[in-house]
Amino acid sequence: GAVVSQHPSWVICKSGTSVKIECRSLDFQATTMFWYRQFPKQSLMLMATSNEGSKATYEQGVEKDKFLINHASLTLSTLTVTSAHPEDSSFYICSAYTSGFSYEQYFGPGTRLTVT
Amino acid sequence: EDQVTQSPEALRLQEGESSSLNCSYTVSGLRGLFWYRQDPGKGPEFLFTLYSAGEEKEKERLKATLTKKESFLHITAPKPEDSATYLCAVQVLRGGSYIPTFGRGTSLIVHP
Repeated sequence: GAVVSQHPSWVICKSGTSVKIECRSLDFQATTMFWYRQFPKQSLMLMATSNEGSKATYEQGVEKDKFLINHASLTLSTLTVTSAHPEDSSFYICSAYTSGFSYEQYFGPGTRLTVT
Repeated sequence: EDQVTQSPEALRLQEGESSSLNCSYTVSGLRGLFWYRQDPGKGPEFLFTLYSAGEEKEKERLKATLTKKESFLHITAPKPEDSATYLCAVQVLRGGSYIPTFGRGTSLIVHP
């Protein structure tokens, strides 16, 4: 149980285009999902907290208009990188709480974004 | 300020050489300390949750312990397949919500 999927696993796009990454909880409902960014050999950087049915809460320094997050259902959250530039190239990972009490996070496999 | 610090940053062991990783934390009102394993190019894999000082949990060659100020991840007789980055995290109360806060991780390499 507690499986989180991400799609796509990797994507290459041209500078100026937008890319959408999907995060799904496959066998549980997730009222809260998180989006992280990770640079090579560095730890996870929390970008935003996504709550079902409400606006995402972004961490300081994360551009809301560049990284659009939508949590439309209890099993799906999406991250759209708008007008991508090479500096947006990174490894993006989502996670979800399995329940309101345990606070255990289960992570997706990650999406490698390369902007050329 | 709430913080999570992991040490060492990197650790090289010979197969069978037991050791411990440390995660020290300063947080108001601990709501669980979490250990994860991350392999290169993959998302973190959940290992353990510890909720109160004195608690211990084991899984194969791994044993996690918790005190009021730190947690240890003990690795007994490690094998090369235990090579990975190990992350610890705590929940930090911010703006009415509990937000996960991660340490920088310990990169473990086990040589055959």
